[in-house]
Amino acid sequence: NAGVTQTPKFQVLKTGQSMTLQCAQDMNHEYMSWYRQDPGMGLRLIHYSVGAGITDQGEVPNGYNVSRSTTEDFPLRLLSAAPSQTSVYFCASSLGPHSTDTQYFGPGTRLTVL
Amino acid sequence: GIQVEQSPPDLILQEGANSTLRCNFSDSVNNLQWFHQNPWGQLINLFYIPSGTKQNGRLSATTVATERYSLLYISSSQTTDSGVYFCAVSVGSGGTSYGKLTFGQGTILTVHP
Repeated sequence: NAGVTQTPKFQVLKTGQSMTLQCAQDMNHEYMSWYRQDPGMGLRLIHYSVGAGITDQGEVPNGYNVSRSTTEDFPLRLLSAAPSQTSVYFCASSLGPHSTDTQYFGPGTRLTVL
Repeated sequence: GIQVEQSPPDLILQEGANSTLRCNFSDSVNNLQWFHQNPWGQLINLFYIPSGTKQNGRLSATTVATERYSLLYISSSQTTDSGVYFCAVSVGSGGTSYGKLTFGQGTILTVHP
């Protein structure tokens, strides 16, 4: 199993540009989520999904969209990038939504918005 | 929302030393996990421990849910233990949390040879 994969690893955008961060997992996990990590802070939840076709907002959803058309993929879309979205983005997945399920994290995407 | 505070923010050790990291949280939780982020940025789950004590090799963790804190013990530290240690918690209804973790700010651990 490849686990949780994310692409790209690095990305530089100009203010106002749009892009999609890709996340995929091959463990047949139902639950997937996106976090951002800023310097000196822990991770903050952006959006999450408890299964294909079901998504909901986390702590910091503004400026981001998600969709979940398949179990494997959970892309994160930046509609109009802003410098405040400069961050490291992590995708995570777990077998189910229950609190006992271990979360597996992808390697991260480092995004810079100029 | 729930608040998670970790201490100390930074910790520097010589190889072989022991250490204790603390996580305080402001409300009852049904999920508490400890993670290690290595110097390359990869996050690894260490423990799922909403209550009680667990051990895995040189690492152990204890959560006292009634007093709203958790401790991570590292014994005989090694240089490979360096990185950031995060505590993350969630609250949920009906015994499910949907993995909506709230992270603390982390403890940066540096182990010198």
